[in-house]
Amino acid sequence: GAVVSQHPSRVICKSGTSVKIECRSLDFQATTMFWYRQFPKQSLMLMATSNEGSKATYEQGVEKDKFLINHASLTLSTLTVTSAHPEDSSFYICSARLGALYNEQFFGPGTRLTVL
Amino acid sequence: RKEVEQDPGPFNVPEGATVAFNCTYSNSASQSFFWYRQDCRKEPKLLMSVYSSGNEDGRFTAQLNRASQYISLLIRDSKLSDSATYLCVVSSGSARQLTFGSGTQLTVLP
Repeated sequence: GAVVSQHPSRVICKSGTSVKIECRSLDFQATTMFWYRQFPKQSLMLMATSNEGSKATYEQGVEKDKFLINHASLTLSTLTVTSAHPEDSSFYICSARLGALYNEQFFGPGTRLTVL
Repeated sequence: RKEVEQDPGPFNVPEGATVAFNCTYSNSASQSFFWYRQDCRKEPKLLMSVYSSGNEDGRFTAQLNRASQYISLLIRDSKLSDSATYLCVVSSGSARQLTFGSGTQLTVLP
């Protein structure tokens, strides 16, 4: 199956700093990538849909100026959490889809962010 | 009302038992349906897609009832390795976005 990687897998940072998370599709080109957030004992919540070469579409309640998404190539999307606060501590997971006609999304291994 | 609702469990069953999970969804325009499993602190992995005609993959059987907006997963002869959280997932919208249920936790006991 298709492989999606994320980096870093774990990050601990001080409040007020910015953190960048990378999501890469390793063996396929992904026109669409998705960013999710999962708090403990809760399910995945879609944050935004990222399309290569265009602006991301954010879900209601997700601040686009706080969670900056860049999908500069068909194999890379980045999520930057700006001015992170403790309430941003969460498990961030990306996924990628082969193309518009495909339903299946392939998930990255996730990034665990802890903001002190 | 949540878009995708599941019984959170936990379900604790002995090895070899048969266990069934149920799920309902609110968006009648939903296009595709899936069951994912998620192990603790890991990403979700696709278990199987769900079709109206029902589909089976080994010990796993999934059913979809579009009229009732209801999805089920049956696990037969459960193994210790089946212990995980099972996520009911629905795809909808032009971008085919996935909406996840809150998951049902299963523990298979020796």
